[in-house]
Amino acid sequence: DTAVSQTPKYLVTQMGNDKSIKCEQNLGHDTMYWYKQDSKKFLKIMFSYNNKELIINETVPNRFSPKSPDKAHLNLHINSLELGDSAVYFCASSQGTGFTDTQYFGPGTRLTVL
Amino acid sequence: KQEVTQIPAALSVPEGENLVLNCSFTDSAIYNLQWFRQDPGKGLTSLLLIQSSQREQTSGRLNASLDKSSGRSTLYIAASQPGDSATYLCAVSKLTGNQFYFGTGTSLTVIP
Repeated sequence: DTAVSQTPKYLVTQMGNDKSIKCEQNLGHDTMYWYKQDSKKFLKIMFSYNNKELIINETVPNRFSPKSPDKAHLNLHINSLELGDSAVYFCASSQGTGFTDTQYFGPGTRLTVL
Repeated sequence: KQEVTQIPAALSVPEGENLVLNCSFTDSAIYNLQWFRQDPGKGLTSLLLIQSSQREQTSGRLNASLDKSSGRSTLYIAASQPGDSATYLCAVSKLTGNQFYFGTGTSLTVIP
């Protein structure tokens, strides 16, 4: 059973489009996260979210918005895609909040903006 | 702002060798430190988590140490195997606030 899953695995789209990446975890965790890994393989936190609090990294453009229909899902919506948004996006989850516990990562979604 | 650096950036060793990966961070006000491995084209797998009050954690052939005052952690891999080949990342969480900082990574190749 996959603990943290993401769809799609690959996403190729044109500049200016709006797209979504879905994430689901079946671990019963309280907190979910979105990370961006750039072309230099550097990982950076974008959001952390539980049912009480959304924490946004201040460097994340407001074109990016997480949406959580329920505790097991945290989807990432991106509006007006730009070339610089091309990266691999990882979803993760943990039992506790605030990065206190081990995080479990999804396989990643490679986004290419043309 | 917390900066996390890993040295070396790449390491190649023959199978069976013991090795040490280094991680340094600039702000010692951390909540915990985690080590991950990332296989090519895959997500991250958590290896070890050390709370700020702990000195080390062990799992199988892996041992991670933490010296918070000097801003350093090491990951020791005993009797390396080709299957250990991956990129190893350390990450620290901030003591206050909700932030998580990844290191630059060490790409390890274990040669059979």
